Amino acid sequence: AQTVTQSQPEMSVQEAETVTLSCTYDTSESDYYLFWYKQPPSRQMILVIRQEAYKQQNATENRFSVNFQKAAKSFSLKISDSQLGDAAMYFCAYRSLARGGADGLTFGKGTHLIIQP
Amino acid sequence: EPEVTQTPSHQVTQMGQEVILRCVPISNHLYFYWYRQILGQKVEFLVSFYNNEISEKSEIFDDQFSVERPDGSNFTLKIRSTKLEDSAMYFCASSGSGTTEAFFGQGTRLTVV
Repeated sequence: AQTVTQSQPEMSVQEAETVTLSCTYDTSESDYYLFWYKQPPSRQMILVIRQEAYKQQNATENRFSVNFQKAAKSFSLKISDSQLGDAAMYFCAYRSLARGGADGLTFGKGTHLIIQP
Repeated sequence: EPEVTQTPSHQVTQMGQEVILRCVPISNHLYFYWYRQILGQKVEFLVSFYNNEISEKSEIFDDQFSVERPDGSNFTLKIRSTKLEDSAMYFCASSGSGTTEAFFGQGTRLTVV
């Protein structure tokens, strides 16, 4: 079974600064997807960014980018120019493609991101 | 923009009662999921549903749980006899295929008293 580890329960960053959230995972599979989801106080799960394991290029979405290191099984999220609205829980998630995606997402425990004004 | 909708947003139920949580996935999606998040903990996979049957289920999804797609739009999670430990946020999600991201509903907060 796959596992996802987020070793930072909480991170704090000054507004407009850059912050990196860490995520490592354990799998024996070669083909999978990785995601970062944001959960604000409303508790809705919002997709931030996705990365296909077969792609070497790191995904980017505006101020959000990832550093995907497949050999190291590492998938960190970088948030540039942090904004107050970025304050939330951030969950790293893994999706196996072994059975065509029938498996659900495996989540890490989350990192609580605090933005200091 | 299409979205997954869940009802109710909050439900309080007596221990031992049956509860049905409802979801309307995005209309052209084919895969449907239920997840659970106990307060302060991580999101846990319960079950996936494809082609009108369960594709995969976790250890949490025991005989007390069932899912159904009663018509072309709704996707329901039934808990037959609720326990205190079933209190959690329940999320429905859907995806267009097995290889794309899942879109989540806003969740139903279930409180068992």
